[in-house]
This record gives sequence, structure tokens and C-alpha cells, in this order.
Amino acid sequence: QQQVKQSPQSLIVQKGGISIINCAYENTAFDYFPWYQQFPGKGPALLIAIRPDVSEKKEGRFTISFNKSAKQFSLHIMDSQPGDSATYFCAASTGTASKLTFGTGTRLQVTL
Amino acid sequence: DVKVTQSSRYLVKRTGEKVFLECVQDMDHENMFWYRQDPGLGLRLIYFSYDVKMKEKGDIPEGYSVSREKKERFSLILESASTNQTSMYLCASREGQGSSPLHFGNGTRLTVT
Repeated sequence: QQQVKQSPQSLIVQKGGISIINCAYENTAFDYFPWYQQFPGKGPALLIAIRPDVSEKKEGRFTISFNKSAKQFSLHIMDSQPGDSATYFCAASTGTASKLTFGTGTRLQVTL
Repeated sequence: DVKVTQSSRYLVKRTGEKVFLECVQDMDHENMFWYRQDPGLGLRLIYFSYDVKMKEKGDIPEGYSVSREKKERFSLILESASTNQTSMYLCASREGQGSSPLHFGNGTRLTVT
């Protein structure tokens, strides 16, 4: 059972463009939604996270948009750069849980 | 900075062998996790531990066991390795619950032939 569904599986964006990755969840008890970034040969690292009491969170060029009624959240990367080329994972958890449930990942390639 | 160290970067084992994957964290975190990463399937939780000698099954525990004898060390054990366990294995640690971040090691690429 896939509790967090992520799309697309892969994405190619030109330098300067906007990258958008979408996730949908089923468990309404989830109340913490982080995004992790993974470069080749490295483990994933926390990029940005949101709680459902806000609809948007921005950190530099990275923005999470959250739609509680639709049970969806998305990552927007503005002015995408070649250095953003990586695999991105959305995730979700409840506040009392130790574990995170991850999406299937999106491989982003930013071309020159 | 939190450091999570996995003992091997690459490992090649034969079918039926007993395999140990070791992970050490240096930040006194209560929680430690083992995930496997496969293309198109993302990160799937195998086991996690919230304290020494405590463990809980994740989403795909079959064929695996774990050991946590000391707080800083969490071992994943493949009792009898099979080819379908060929994968990237990622260890992570986390302080507490809620919104604290997971800190991952760089992974062990295990090939079972």
C-alpha cells in the first residue's frame, strides 16, 4: 500500500525554469511533510518541510505548497540550476511517530 | 554536524550467506532506521529502533533482522541472502520524533549473486 504517491518519476527542466514535483497522501493523521534531496553517491538530506497549518513555505528558491483538503503537497524549485540535479523524495509522518513514509522519488535533471 | 557512518560502501555476497550491515551515529540519537532504496520504489523502511535493544518492524521486514546493543550502533542482518535483496541500503538516525530531521549515511550497495 503506497501511502505517499509521488510524480513524476523523472523530470527534465532547462536552466532558469521551474521544477514542480507533486505528492499525494492518504493518511489524514499525517501532520509533517518534509522533502529530501539526494545527490548521487550520497544519502538523502532534509531540504524543506511543512506542517498542515500553513499552505505554503518558502526557503530561497524552494517552495512547498500544501493543499489539506486535496491531501496533496508539491515542491516548486524556482530558477532551477544544474546544481539542483538530484533525486527528490517527499515524505510524511504523524507527530508522534518515529518513522517517515517516503514517496517513490523524482529524478530531476536541469539542463544548460 | 551529525555523522552517520555505514561500514561498507560496496558489498558482494553469495546467495545463502549471512550478511551484516553496520551503521554508527555520533550524535546520541534515540532513533535509528534501516531503509532500502530501489529504483521506482523509493525508500522503504525495513526496521527501526527507538532505544537500545528495542526494535520495530517497518514495511518490509521479511528476510531481515536487526541488532542494537549500543545506542550508537544499529546492525542490519540478512540471515540468508537472496538475489532479491540486491539493493542500496541506507541507515539513518533521528533525535526524538515529530519534525526532527532524519540524518542518513551514504549507503551500502549490496549485490547478492
